[in-house]
Amino acid sequence: GENVEQHPSTLSVQEGDSAVIKCTYSDSASNYFPWYKQELGKRPQLIIDIRSNVGEKKDQRIAVTLNKTAKHFSLHITETQPEDSAVYFCAASGNDMRFGAGTRLTVKP
Amino acid sequence: DTAVSQTPKYLVTQMGNDKSIKCEQNLGHDTMYWYKQDSKKFLKIMFSYNNKELIINETVPNRFSPKSPDKAHLNLHINSLELGDSAVYFCASSQTSGSLGELFFGEGSRLTVL
Repeated sequence: GENVEQHPSTLSVQEGDSAVIKCTYSDSASNYFPWYKQELGKRPQLIIDIRSNVGEKKDQRIAVTLNKTAKHFSLHITETQPEDSAVYFCAASGNDMRFGAGTRLTVKP
Repeated sequence: DTAVSQTPKYLVTQMGNDKSIKCEQNLGHDTMYWYKQDSKKFLKIMFSYNNKELIINETVPNRFSPKSPDKAHLNLHINSLELGDSAVYFCASSQTSGSLGELFFGEGSRLTVL
């Protein structure tokens, strides 16, 4: 089955800096890669996703890149704000969706 | 209009008891899931149902039994609760099976076993 690894487990940045979270996956059949944001006490919510036929996707301050050959994908957040503080999960999906262990991002004002 | 709703939101119970968590989605989705999130925030899939049929059953103790009376509902019954069952349980749904689309999560049900 699919195995998703996510790094780092915690990340602290100053407001305005960029944050990068990286994930690797094991199943070459996976072809959908979403990122979820979970604020404290809330449900995970989709913030951006990418499919295997695309190498990069951007939505305002967030972007995701995918390298299918190397089986890794990354989330980039630019100009971070305190409200970006949350736990971020990557996931890889083929027959079912598997999540990484999560990254706790703290943005210091 | 809550898309995926689950009840109860909080559940505190004694070891050995039996409890159920209910989930309903009004999105018209075909596939529903149960995920367990432990204290370290790891999201682990437990079950997946597509149009009332079980399609994923991870290595979960058989004390956990999902039931899907129709494609809009997926309930989770837990027998003989143990301390290690304490977690937040999230119900989710997606439009199609194969999880190739967005998962919509419920608010979560925090289960505490004493």
